[in-house]
Amino acid sequence: EVQLVESGGGLVQPGGSLRLSCAASGFTFSFYWMAWVRQAPGKGLEWVANIKQDGSEKYYVDSVKGRFTISRDNAKNSLYLQMNSLRAEDTAVYYCARHGQHNFDYWGQGTLVTVSS
Amino acid sequence: QSVLTQPPSVSGAPGQRVTISCTGSSSNIGAGYDVHWYQQLPGTAPKLLIYDNSNRPSGVPDRFSGSKSGTSASLAITGLQAEDEADYYCQSYDSSLSGYVFGGGTKLTVL
Repeated sequence: EVQLVESGGGLVQPGGSLRLSCAASGFTFSFYWMAWVRQAPGKGLEWVANIKQDGSEKYYVDSVKGRFTISRDNAKNSLYLQMNSLRAEDTAVYYCARHGQHNFDYWGQGTLVTVSS
Repeated sequence: QSVLTQPPSVSGAPGQRVTISCTGSSSNIGAGYDVHWYQQLPGTAPKLLIYDNSNRPSGVPDRFSGSKSGTSASLAITGLQAEDEADYYCQSYDSSLSGYVFGGGTKLTVL
């Protein structure tokens, strides 16, 4: 059974940093692209970033470029999102998702990030 | 303002058929990129419902179907059930943005 478990969310002040983690199990992690998708409170879904199987390619939505960094450790079956210079508009539930063919076929339960003073 | 446009809400009585539209443009759906649909039950993570315009993952009832034409796509749900009450999102790829895009979501209410 595919499982994705996020952790690392919490309350952070504007301008602060946070690192999210996603532990994957139930599939061969190194075979798949992976992604982060977020959902602001009461709002819709927004793709944030994705990363190739070996980490050689990474893509970001414009609003987080230069502030967020996606990475992975295939030996640990883990996906990460380093978030710097956080803004109020980054407040959201962040989901880890496995990439299918240009879709997201499995999702974690999400971790809430709140940016507020 | 989402790149893909969905109606904010739809409703139907149990047993009825409802459709949810997803309108894009020449840089996403109209460019030939596939459309995928997700169901998000209250308080839970999204779940892939339809992939590649019209395919259902294993375990998704055949009451759910998808189609795509031109710059639009639609999700149809037949034999509406109370458990179908959820938010539904369409998703595709946009070549102008070089990234994945979602619709704003449609809340389905079963009357």
